[in-house]
Amino acid sequence: GAVVSQHPSRVICKSGTSVKIECRSLDFQATTMFWYRQFPKQSLMLMATSNEGSKATYEQGVEKDKFLINHASLTLSTLTVTSAHPEDSSFYICSARGSYPDSSPLHFGNGTRLTVT
Amino acid sequence: GQNIDQPTEMTATEGAIVQINCTYQTSGFNGLFWYQQHAGEAPTFLSYNVLDGLEEKGRFSSFLSRSKGYSYLLLKELQMKDSASYLCAVRDSNYQLIWGAGTKLIIKP
Repeated sequence: GAVVSQHPSRVICKSGTSVKIECRSLDFQATTMFWYRQFPKQSLMLMATSNEGSKATYEQGVEKDKFLINHASLTLSTLTVTSAHPEDSSFYICSARGSYPDSSPLHFGNGTRLTVT
Repeated sequence: GQNIDQPTEMTATEGAIVQINCTYQTSGFNGLFWYQQHAGEAPTFLSYNVLDGLEEKGRFSSFLSRSKGYSYLLLKELQMKDSASYLCAVRDSNYQLIWGAGTKLIIKP
């Protein structure tokens, strides 16, 4: 089945530094990738949608200059949290969608637990 | 606006059956998904419904009524490992996924 690899799985960084999270589709071409954030005991919150080769579309309230998304190829998207602050500590999850029949679900990476100290 | 409702939390006994309901109001409908998410992990796909009726997959079944904007996930022969959150998501007319807040299922021995 389709596999999405997300790295790193955990990262701890100091306030003010930047963190890059990678999301790769291993066995399919991901024309669209989604980045989610999830706070404890809350549901997934879509941050942005990125299509290969074009600028990401950010959801309302998500700062595009703080959460930089690059989808340079059909198998790789990156999310960079710039100048991280403790309130950015969260679980970040990517998902990918390729050429698909309508019934295909999103394929999720394993998530990245970000802790900003 | 678009809205998906599901209970916040449910408790059931090991070996029993539990039904998790999901009601939705979305701009169009292009399928409904159920995902399972264990604490600290990413969601995993469970089922997909686009036509009315019941889809059965092992111990899990999912039902859809488009006219009622309603779905349920049925879990049979509950096991302790089924303790997780269950997320209902609807794909709207723009093929955007609208997520419910999830139902935390607690299984007791």
